[in-house]
Amino acid sequence: NAGVTQTPKFQVLKTGQSMTLQCAQDMNHEYMSWYRQDPGMGLRLIHYSVGAGITDQGEVPNGYNVSRSTTEDFPLRLLSAAPSQTSVYFCASSYERGRGAAYEQYFGPGTRLTVT
Amino acid sequence: DAKTTQPTSMDCAEGRAANLPCNHSTISGNEYVYWYRQIHSQGPQYIIHGLKNNETNEMASLIITEDRKSSTLILPHATLRDTAVYYCIVRVADNQGGKLIFGQGTELSVKP
Repeated sequence: NAGVTQTPKFQVLKTGQSMTLQCAQDMNHEYMSWYRQDPGMGLRLIHYSVGAGITDQGEVPNGYNVSRSTTEDFPLRLLSAAPSQTSVYFCASSYERGRGAAYEQYFGPGTRLTVT
Repeated sequence: DAKTTQPTSMDCAEGRAANLPCNHSTISGNEYVYWYRQIHSQGPQYIIHGLKNNETNEMASLIITEDRKSSTLILPHATLRDTAVYYCIVRVADNQGGKLIFGQGTELSVKP
């Protein structure tokens, strides 16, 4: 298994541009999430999904859209990039292995985004 | 979800046990304690989780106090590769499996 993959690894955008960060997992996990991590900070939850067709907002959803048309893919769209969205973005997936084990999340390697 | 409090940073000598504390005094009876770590620039890695009983796996041990208001993650023989930020997270096991809320964590430095 490749696990959780993210593309691109690095991206530079100009203010106002839009783009999609890709996330895919090949473990048939039902849960997927997007986090952002600013320098020296912990991770903050942007959006998450409990299954195909179901998404919900996390702590910092503004400026981002998600959709989950398949179990495998969970893309994150930046609608109009702003310098405040400069961050490292991590995608994660998990599954209901048993009571309490649903939060054993597997993380991707991250996408480093700079907005100028 | 219950709030957690962790020290900002800790040091540990290589080969010694690293004991990382976490306070979660407002934890509810159906909330689990999870530990993750993040090695510099990488995605976080799951370590262990527990509800009431102490737990052990190949990476670490988790000791939860009887009143469940605090816990300690133990790395029995810390190595330089264990230098990382360690996150303690408290979460109810519902159907929101992707909704983990990370705090600031403890930056553990393992020194030779």
